[in-house]
Amino acid sequence: GAGVSQSPRYKVTKRGQDVALRCDPISGHVSLYWYRQALGQGPEFLTYFNYEAQQDKSGLPNDRFSAERPEGSISTLTIQRTEQRDSAMYRCASSLSAGSGSPLHFGNGTRLTVT
Amino acid sequence: LAKTTQPISMDSYEGQEVNITCSHNNIATNDYITWYQQFPSQGPRFIIQGYKTKVTNEVASLFIPADRKSSTLSLPRVSLSDTAVYYCLVGDRGNTPLVFGKGTRLSVIA
Repeated sequence: GAGVSQSPRYKVTKRGQDVALRCDPISGHVSLYWYRQALGQGPEFLTYFNYEAQQDKSGLPNDRFSAERPEGSISTLTIQRTEQRDSAMYRCASSLSAGSGSPLHFGNGTRLTVT
Repeated sequence: LAKTTQPISMDSYEGQEVNITCSHNNIATNDYITWYQQFPSQGPRFIIQGYKTKVTNEVASLFIPADRKSSTLSLPRVSLSDTAVYYCLVGDRGNTPLVFGKGTRLSVIA
């Protein structure tokens, strides 16, 4: 596709349920990033991949959060046993190569609401 | 990672030049300076990147003094559509991820 695609666009779930958020990066992009953004705040780093390898997961809030990118393309961010504090916009970005010299291209995000 | 400091908000009238300054006192030798723009309900969008002196593209200019402890994003003749949040990020080519701060909320008034 032309840009980074995220699905679903909106997700409403009940507390305690698991959710899976999908990111389809720009074709050929090596690096893929997950961010979380609260209203009025800047994006908060969660984790990132180069190809299929998870390079840094230091931003994942706790062990309920996990991410994978098994074939080096599509990535899934999974949140287990969701809590209300997990409600936020989850944004995925990809870049052609690793490093800050390669701009990030963001998707439109998934708005997660935990009730 | 180098920390950045930006004004929380700025206002400008249409047609004026807007300069947003970002402080990054502990910038490292290998760090680049990158600016992103974010409209409501959209993800951040890359605007410009530089290492030193001046960089210009079709959207903006980036001025970086010799000591590189700050940088200034310059938007010429802003319009209402430039109303957005602008983020300054600092990082080196081999060291991701990039950390976003709270950014500068620019409001352009008619």
